[in-house]
Amino acid sequence: NAGVTQTPKFRVLKTGQSMTLLCAQDMNHEYMYWYRQDPGMGLRLIHYSVGEGTTAKGEVPDGYNVSRLKKQNFLLGLESAAPSQTSVYFCASSYDSWTGELFFGEGSRLTVL
Amino acid sequence: GIQVEQSPPDLILQEGANSTLRCNFSDSVNNLQWFHQNPWGQLINLFYIPSGTKQNGRLSATTVATERYSLLYISSSQTTDSGVYFCAVGFPSNTGKLIFGQGTTLQVKP
Repeated sequence: NAGVTQTPKFRVLKTGQSMTLLCAQDMNHEYMYWYRQDPGMGLRLIHYSVGEGTTAKGEVPDGYNVSRLKKQNFLLGLESAAPSQTSVYFCASSYDSWTGELFFGEGSRLTVL
Repeated sequence: GIQVEQSPPDLILQEGANSTLRCNFSDSVNNLQWFHQNPWGQLINLFYIPSGTKQNGRLSATTVATERYSLLYISSSQTTDSGVYFCAVGFPSNTGKLIFGQGTTLQVKP
């Protein structure tokens, strides 16, 4: 059972380039989330989804877009990468609403030069 | 405002020692989880514990929701316990979104 899988694990971008992070879960969870982790800042919620076809903004959504076309996948896009988006990105999913237990992927380290 | 505070920020132990990590929160909760981030960056679920007490091997956790705190106990610590421990709290007053504390960095020395 793979759980939550993120691709790619590492990526280096130049300022202004675009990219997409893919998150896939095989637990049939309704809820999926994207977090970023920065030194001294803990984990902060970027966007989340409460079901297929739905997305919502979290704490730090600016500069990111998301899509949830299939229940098992949650995509995070950067249209024009900036150095401030250098971070480690974590995807997570849960079976229930915010009261459900959260399961994380392994993280994706993104560097923007 | 809504706050999640963890203490201590850093902790250094000798192998075999016991420790208690604390998570204070500012309002009623409907979700509280403890995670361990290992030195490779993986976030591992330890406990889902919005109230009560749970134990898993050498680790146990207690949440006293009425007094706005949760404790994570690590007994007979091992070097593999090193890493960062996060509590994440969901508040109904904040639509239940999980808010993460800043973490406690634990180093267990052999």
